[in-house]
Amino acid sequence: AQTVTQSQPEMSVQEAETVTLSCTYDTSESDYYLFWYKQPPSRQMILVIRQEAYKQQNATENRFSVNFQKAAKSFSLKISDSQLGDAAMYFCAYCCGGSNYKLTFGKGTLLTVNP
Amino acid sequence: DVKVTQSSRYLVKRTGEKVFLECVQDMDHENMFWYRQDPGLGLRLIYFSYDVKMKEKGDIPEGYSVSREKKERFSLILESASTNQTSMYLCASSTGVWEKLFFGSGTQLSVL
Repeated sequence: AQTVTQSQPEMSVQEAETVTLSCTYDTSESDYYLFWYKQPPSRQMILVIRQEAYKQQNATENRFSVNFQKAAKSFSLKISDSQLGDAAMYFCAYCCGGSNYKLTFGKGTLLTVNP
Repeated sequence: DVKVTQSSRYLVKRTGEKVFLECVQDMDHENMFWYRQDPGLGLRLIYFSYDVKMKEKGDIPEGYSVSREKKERFSLILESASTNQTSMYLCASSTGVWEKLFFGSGTQLSVL
């Protein structure tokens, strides 16, 4: 079964600085999808970024970017110019290699942004 | 704006009660999901549905069932609620499991 590991239960960053959240996953498939979701205190989970494994180029969305290392099975999220509104729980997720159509989430990293 | 609506934000039930959690989406999505979220465990898939009247077990289906009679509505049923089912329940929908999931705001269920 696919597993997703987020080794940092909690992280903190100063406002305007950069922070990187780690994620590793386990799969024997070559084609799959990776995601970062954000869950603020409002509990509304929203997609931050999505990466297709067959694409070499790292996905970016404004201040959010990923470092996708396929061989190392690593998918870290970098948040630049951190803002107070970035404070949330961040979940890494893996989907859909081979015959597996389930989205598997990591346990999450709680990010605190200090003013 | 697209929307996934869960009928209750907070719910308190007693052990042994039959509990219905309702979820409605207005995006005409084929796929709908029920997740359970517990501190330190992340999100775990209970059931998902890829079409009306179709369902698949997720990773932790025991003690739960689902119903999808109409495309827009996906219900999670706790046949006989137990205290270990106290949790946050999240509903989501998408056009495909590899696509972006749209989530509801969650139902915090307490079983006493």
